[in-house]
Parts: sequence; C-alpha cells; structure tokens
Amino acid sequence: AQKVTQAQTEISVVEKEDVTLDCVYETRDTTYYLFWYKQPPSGELVFLIRRNSFDEQNEISGRYSWNFQKSTSSFNFTITASQVVDSAVYFCALSEYSSASKIIFGSGTRLSIRP
Amino acid sequence: DAGVIQSPRHEVTEMGQEVTLRCKPISGHDYLFWYRQTMMRGLELLIYFNNNVPIDDSGMPEDRFSAKMPNASFSTLKIQPSEPRDSAVYFCASSSGTSSGNTIYFGEGSWLTVV
Repeated sequence: AQKVTQAQTEISVVEKEDVTLDCVYETRDTTYYLFWYKQPPSGELVFLIRRNSFDEQNEISGRYSWNFQKSTSSFNFTITASQVVDSAVYFCALSEYSSASKIIFGSGTRLSIRP
Repeated sequence: DAGVIQSPRHEVTEMGQEVTLRCKPISGHDYLFWYRQTMMRGLELLIYFNNNVPIDDSGMPEDRFSAKMPNASFSTLKIQPSEPRDSAVYFCASSSGTSSGNTIYFGEGSWLTVV
C-alpha cells in the first residue's frame, strides 16, 4: 500500500534562512509519481512539482529545489533564502502506476517564515 | 483558462440537513477527485471518477455520503443527513490523460460547517 510520511509537523525559521522539508514514501510499485503542493493561508492547493520514479535528477526552480533519492525513498524539498511569502503548509504526495491516478497525500508540514 | 470551480465556497448548515457540494472540472480533464481536509485527518481522498464513472469510492466515510458525475463537466458530493463531524474543507480536483501520475489541479475548496 502507498504511504507518504512528512515527519516535520511544523518548522519555523527566520527569513533568508534555507529550509528543507522532508518527505519519505512507501510503495511496492516500480513506477510511481511524486508531487509537492503548497497550501498558503488562503487555503487553495497549488501544484509545485511532479517527478516520476525513473527520473532521479534533482530539480531547481528559482529558490526551490527538490532532491529525489530512491535509495532512501525520499523526495525532499529545499527553499533557499526563504521569504515570508513562503509561509504555507506543504504537502508531499504519491501516485502509484497501479492505482490509476489515485494520489495520496502526506500530513503536511506547516512552514512559518519569521521576518 | 478557468480552473476547477467549486460551489458553494462556504456553507453553514444545521445538523440533519442535506448538503450538496458542486464541482466543475477543468474542461477536457477526464479524472475528477473529491478530497476532504480536516485538522485531525489531513487530506483524504473520498472518491474519484474517470470518464464520469466512479473508480474508487473506498474513502467515502459512510452511507451518508454520495457522489455523482452525470456528465464530464459537473459533479456533486452530497451529505445526507449532515453531522457536526462532517465539518471540513472539501476539495474537488481534476486531471487529464490516460496514464497514471497526471498532475491534479484543485479547486479553491468548499468550507463546510455543520452546527
């Protein structure tokens, strides 16, 4: 069965610090997809990134970067030089190929950036 | 392009009343999902449809909950009778494609309070 664990319930850092959000997943499938979503205080869920299990290349998008390591079943998310606008709840999610588009979310990490 | 549209955005109802939440997916998307978000349980997948057909309703909490998708552009989630523990944010989401792992896009959510 698929499972996503975000062990960090809440993180608080001062603006401009780097912060890493951890995500560990479990799956029996060899083909699967990983996602990160952001939920700002306004409540909507915003898609950030999607990776498939065959692509372990790290990805960078501006101040955001993602580190995918199959050996440790992790898909961690780093924000460099954090800003107050990064304050949100961040969700990691997993979709197994065998589950036909069913996406399961972790419990989320609430990130607070203090000015 | 219009995103996923949900209505109502906010609903306050009395225990025992029927509640109907509505969703219009992104045009052309063939998957539709209903999620529920609470503090205690996080984001839970309730049910999802492919080409208007329910594929997995194992997340529907009990018989008081029902979902329909009469056509490709409309879905409803109904709770009858409602109970205070149903208070949550209900998200509708959609995705396109025939392969697994497609990115899902969320509506802004329907905030339900049952008193």
